[in-house]
Amino acid sequence: EAQVTQNPRYLITVTGKKLTVTCSQNMNHEYMSWYRQDPGLGLRQIYYSMNVEVTDKGDVPEGYKVSRKEKRNFPLILESPSPNQTSLYFCASKRSAQTYEQYFGPGTRLTVT
Amino acid sequence: SQKIEQNSEALNIQEGKTATLTCNYTNYSPAYLQWYRQDPGRGPVFLLLIRENEKEKRKERLKVTFDTTLKQSLFHITASQPADSATYLCALDIFSDMRFGAGTRLTVKP
Repeated sequence: EAQVTQNPRYLITVTGKKLTVTCSQNMNHEYMSWYRQDPGLGLRQIYYSMNVEVTDKGDVPEGYKVSRKEKRNFPLILESPSPNQTSLYFCASKRSAQTYEQYFGPGTRLTVT
Repeated sequence: SQKIEQNSEALNIQEGKTATLTCNYTNYSPAYLQWYRQDPGRGPVFLLLIRENEKEKRKERLKVTFDTTLKQSLFHITASQPADSATYLCALDIFSDMRFGAGTRLTVKP
């Protein structure tokens, strides 16, 4: 089944404790991205990657890191999480930067206390 | 600054009626606009895309219009059903940076 998977689905952590949210897609898509979703603000793009080893900042990159060493994986790293990073996070992929339809993962609900 | 506004946070309608959702944008000139559906606890799912040179697009009970002069898209669900209850998001792709509206939560009552 074609899909985007994320792990973990739920995470509660404390301020300053480094964490990684994994994202994997099995559709051989070149383009992958991370979003956060907050009430009233909608989805905001954090980082995106047009291909392996190519990443770029979205709207709200501060406090996040990403890497794209393999085509299928695009982990999101929070080196020192803070409470304002409490949010619902979505990974998404699409065939290439020039195509339109994005496929979203199921989401990761992160709480930073 | 650039904005995407979906003018209703929530919309309640009766089953069988047509739901109309609005997406307005400012300071963008998108080549196309997309609509997604999001159910609680799930990621958005792509529904329709409309290009700037298309006035209208249909898919089953869904219809989308795109007026680049008004900078507005309308999303219609005809003969609405309770199963259509969800949040609907509009999105503009600005080069490689996709921008989403905050969404409209539609509830269709039986």
